[in-house]
Amino acid sequence: GAVVSQHPSWVICKSGTSVKIECRSLDFQATTMFWYRQFPKQSLMLMATSNEGSKATYEQGVEKDKFLINHASLTLSTLTVTSAHPEDSSFYICSAAGRFLETQYFGPGTRLLVL
Amino acid sequence: KQEVTQIPAALSVPEGENLVLNCSFTDSAIYNLQWFRQDPGKGLTSLLLIQSSQREQTSGRLNASLDKSSGRSTLYIAASQPGDSATYLCAVQTQGAQKLVFGQGTRLTINP
Repeated sequence: GAVVSQHPSWVICKSGTSVKIECRSLDFQATTMFWYRQFPKQSLMLMATSNEGSKATYEQGVEKDKFLINHASLTLSTLTVTSAHPEDSSFYICSAAGRFLETQYFGPGTRLLVL
Repeated sequence: KQEVTQIPAALSVPEGENLVLNCSFTDSAIYNLQWFRQDPGKGLTSLLLIQSSQREQTSGRLNASLDKSSGRSTLYIAASQPGDSATYLCAVQTQGAQKLVFGQGTRLTINP
């Protein structure tokens, strides 16, 4: 099956700094990538949808200037958490889908802890 | 707005039992429904994907059914094993939308 990787798997940072998370589709071209956030013991909540070469579409309540998404190629999308605060601490998961969106393939997730 | 609900939130059963997890959704105009497994601190593993035109899918000891008209899906696990302990998530892709809407999950514990 299709493989999606995320890097880093774990990151600890100080409040006020920015953190970049990468999501890569390793063996297929991902025309669409999705970014989710999961707080402890809660389900996944979609943050934004990005199509290659276009601006991301953010879900209601998600600050686009705080969570910068770049999808510059068919195999890579990045999520940058700017000026991170402790309340941004969460598990961030990306997924990728091919041209026909038949299914999404999920990455292993990145755990962010902001001190 | 599509909403997905999973019942129960948590379930604990002895090893060897057959069990059923439930998922309901409010908008029946779906493209597909998917069941995932998530181990603590890990990402998602896709278990079964049911297209809107299908009524069920099977993989090993797992069987998922879909009743689109009533907005329900069930995941049946036969002969449960301790290794089945995980959180099971149901997600729906609505027609015309790219995104998946997830339920809150059922945290399953299989006791040896």
